[in-house]
Amino acid sequence: EVQLLESGGGFVQPGGSLTLTCAGSGFTFSSYAMNWVRQAPGKGLEWVSSISGSSEKTYYGDSVKGRFTVSRDNSKNTLSLQMSSLRAEDTAVYYCAKWAFDFGVVRSYWGQGTLVTVSS
Amino acid sequence: DIVMTQSPDSLAVSLGERATINCKSSQSVLHRSNNRNYLGWYQQKPGQPPKLLFYWASTRESGVPDRFSGSGSGTDFTLTISNLQAEDVAVYYCQQYYSSLPYTFGQGTKLEIK
Repeated sequence: EVQLLESGGGFVQPGGSLTLTCAGSGFTFSSYAMNWVRQAPGKGLEWVSSISGSSEKTYYGDSVKGRFTVSRDNSKNTLSLQMSSLRAEDTAVYYCAKWAFDFGVVRSYWGQGTLVTVSS
Repeated sequence: DIVMTQSPDSLAVSLGERATINCKSSQSVLHRSNNRNYLGWYQQKPGQPPKLLFYWASTRESGVPDRFSGSGSGTDFTLTISNLQAEDVAVYYCQQYYSSLPYTFGQGTKLEIK
């Protein structure tokens, strides 16, 4: 069974830093791109960042570019998101997610999310 | 990035009636190579992550009631919920996975009971 478990959320002041981690299990971690999607309170889903299986390619949404860094450790089956220069508008639930396209079937897997609150 | 636009932003439907949610992509998400629309629909209830309902625009995920249906092709898609039940109250999102990452989402449609 595929499982994604986020950790590292919490309360941080504006301008501060925080690192989120996602532990994956139940699948061959290195074979899949991994993603961070966030949801501000009462708002929609916003794609934050992605990283390819081998870490060759990364993607960042415009709102976080230059402030967030995505990385992964395939030996530990973990995905990380280093967040710096945090702003109030970064307050959100951050989900770790992956998509699988196998044999004509699409699967979408999400963690339960970790809440990041940026406030003074 | 492909922009996904849903309509309406919210709607209220009576129990037992039909709800219709529309999704429009800024470019076609139909892959000519396999004639598949790279479009998914999600349901999200409070405090939960999104749940995939449909992929390839109209292929229902296992366990999704058949009162839910997905249709459309190219740039215009529809999620229809017939015989609305109380447990269908949620926010619904469309998502394209045609382009390389990011797989962009629509802004969401909030469905309530009238």
